[in-house]
Amino acid sequence: EVQLVESGGGLVQPGRSLRLSCTASGFTFGDYAMIWFRQAPGKGLEWVSVIRGKAYGETTEYAASVKGRFTVARDDSKSIAYLQMNSLKTEDTAIYYCTRAGLAPYFDYWGQGTLITVSS
Amino acid sequence: DIQMTQSPSSLSASVGDRVTITCRASQGIRNSLAWFQQKPGKAPKSLIYDASTLQSGVPSKFSGSGSGTDFTLTISSLQPEDFATYYCQQYNSYPWTFGQGTKVEV
Repeated sequence: EVQLVESGGGLVQPGRSLRLSCTASGFTFGDYAMIWFRQAPGKGLEWVSVIRGKAYGETTEYAASVKGRFTVARDDSKSIAYLQMNSLKTEDTAIYYCTRAGLAPYFDYWGQGTLITVSS
Repeated sequence: DIQMTQSPSSLSASVGDRVTITCRASQGIRNSLAWFQQKPGKAPKSLIYDASTLQSGVPSKFSGSGSGTDFTLTISSLQPEDFATYYCQQYNSYPWTFGQGTKVEV
């Protein structure tokens, strides 16, 4: 059974850092790009970042709102994707979700999300 | 950035109704479009990718169509469990972008 579980969320002060994890099971992790989305309270969905698999050089893409502050990484030996979030801002407050994308289908499984609250 | 515009923003419907939601891209995105359903307090659920391909396990009352800039999601016969918010998302080019959502309510 495919499962994605996000962890690492919590309350953090503006300017501080936090690292999220997305732990995968039930599929060959290395064959998939891993994607992060987020959703601010009461708002719509926003794409954050993607990291491709080793076959595609583990290349990354970022939304403009997080570029230069967030870094996505993966450890295929542990089946974990990470989102390192630095210089956090209040507007980063959101539920962060991870999902996967292979050749097809895309975005078929999602984690339950982890809440990040950036507040002093 | 590609802007995704959904309409309507909300709609009232009854059980058994046929519901259609439209999504328009500000430029052509081929068929690189996904539809998601989200219920309050829950993670999004993927319904359709590549504009018209149903995810495994998604009932056939859901269907998607379109290519280029204009897309539709249709629910053929609305059931109580279908009352939710629906989002379209383009993945043709970065940054990937979502529509603002369509809330389907009673």
